[in-house]
Amino acid sequence: GAVVSQHPSRVICKSGTSVKIECRSLDFQATTMFWYRQFPKQSLMLMATSNEGSKATYEQGVEKDKFLINHASLTLSTLTVTSAHPEDSSFYICSARRAGRETQYFGPGTRLLVL
Amino acid sequence: AQRVTQPEKLLSVFKGAPVELKCNYSYSGSPELFWYVQYSRQRLQLLLRHISRESIKGFTADLNKGETSFHLKKPFAQEEDSAMYYCARPKNSGGSNYKLTFGKGTLLTVNP
Repeated sequence: GAVVSQHPSRVICKSGTSVKIECRSLDFQATTMFWYRQFPKQSLMLMATSNEGSKATYEQGVEKDKFLINHASLTLSTLTVTSAHPEDSSFYICSARRAGRETQYFGPGTRLLVL
Repeated sequence: AQRVTQPEKLLSVFKGAPVELKCNYSYSGSPELFWYVQYSRQRLQLLLRHISRESIKGFTADLNKGETSFHLKKPFAQEEDSAMYYCARPKNSGGSNYKLTFGKGTLLTVNP
C-alpha cells in the first residue's frame, strides 16, 4: 500500500502558459501533501506543504502566486505553474503523508520543460 | 532550521566491500533522522528511520549524538545497491507537519 501517483510524468509547454500537475494518493487518505523541486544532480527542495481543505504553506522564496497549490480532497493535490518560463523547467515531486504518521510516500515526479 | 550534511557527492566501491555513506546533522537534542534511496528511474523511497533501529536490505544506521552523525552502513555492498542516497530530517524541530529537509545526496556506485 501507500502508493502515490503523479500526472503527467512529463510535460513540455511554451513560455507563458500554465501547467497543472496532479498528485494522488491511490490507496490511502493523505492529510498532508508536500511539493518538492529537484534540479539536475541536486537535492530535493521543499516548495510548499499542502493540507486538505486549507491554504498551502509556502517555503521562503517560493512565490505562491507562481506556484498555485490546491488540496481539495484527501487523495488529490494539484500544483499549477502559472505563466511558466524556461527557468521553471525542473523535476517536480510530490509526497503524501497519512494523518498521525511521519513517513512520506513519494510520487514518481513530473519533468517540466518550458520552451 | 535544522540541517543535514552529506559530505560525499560520489562514492564508488567494489561488490562485496563495506560501504559507509556519511551524514551529519546540525545539533538538536533529539533528532529524527531518515535515509531515503532513489534507484535509477524510480521514485524516492524510505530506506530506514533511526527510531525503528531496523536493518533494511542489509543497511543499518546508528545515531551518534556525540559526533552528530547518522552514517549509513552495509558490510557487503551489492551491485543492486547502486543508487542515490539522501539523509533527511524534519525541517523544524517540534514541527507537526513533518516537513523534511534533505541532504544533497550521495551517489553510490557498486562496481562488479
